[in-house]
Amino acid sequence: KQEVTQIPAALSVPEGENLVLNCSFTDSAIYNLQWFRQDPGKGLTSLLLIQSSQREQTSGRLNASLDKSSGRSTLYIAASQPGDSATYLCLIQGAQKLVFGQGTRLTINP
Amino acid sequence: SQTIHQWPATLVQPVGSPLSLECTVEGTSNPNLYWYRQAAGRGLQLLFYSVGIGQISSEVPQNLSASRPQDRQFILSSKKLLLSDSGFYLCAWSVQGGALRKNGYTFGSGTRLTVV
Repeated sequence: KQEVTQIPAALSVPEGENLVLNCSFTDSAIYNLQWFRQDPGKGLTSLLLIQSSQREQTSGRLNASLDKSSGRSTLYIAASQPGDSATYLCLIQGAQKLVFGQGTRLTINP
Repeated sequence: SQTIHQWPATLVQPVGSPLSLECTVEGTSNPNLYWYRQAAGRGLQLLFYSVGIGQISSEVPQNLSASRPQDRQFILSSKKLLLSDSGFYLCAWSVQGGALRKNGYTFGSGTRLTVV
């Protein structure tokens, strides 16, 4: 059974810092991994999708990496801004269908 | 471009009342459709998914049901709501087949349901 873990559950950093969010999974037989952000009371906004054959994807200040052998993905946020404050979720799609992590609640302090 | 619509955005219903939440997708055909629930302080739980009209798979036994009367319409229902049905309900869609691996999933804006 695929298990997805996001650590830490919450993170608070000052504005301008670079930071890394982690997503770990137990079954490396995945099709893709997708990172989302969720603002309070809102739906999920897709940030980046990494296919199983890829190592990383970049969009603006965001960079997501995937290492299937170690069962790990990271989301790197450069030069963080208060607007980056949200909950970040990773979603694994594999043979065992879809599994979400519990999310990391990120707060960027001005 | 493809868009997904969910309504209503918020809903307050008494215990024992019926429920109907609707989700529609535009700009694509034959999508996979999903209903998720996010309870307060908890993660996202897959409730139902559908690969075609009238085809519904249930992931967890519960007080809810789903229907897909049209290709791009997905409905979440209950005959009698329970307090434990409160939560944030999200609809999502994806393409089918091999293209899913590079397209991922798109979520709606959600419905906040409070059962009182």
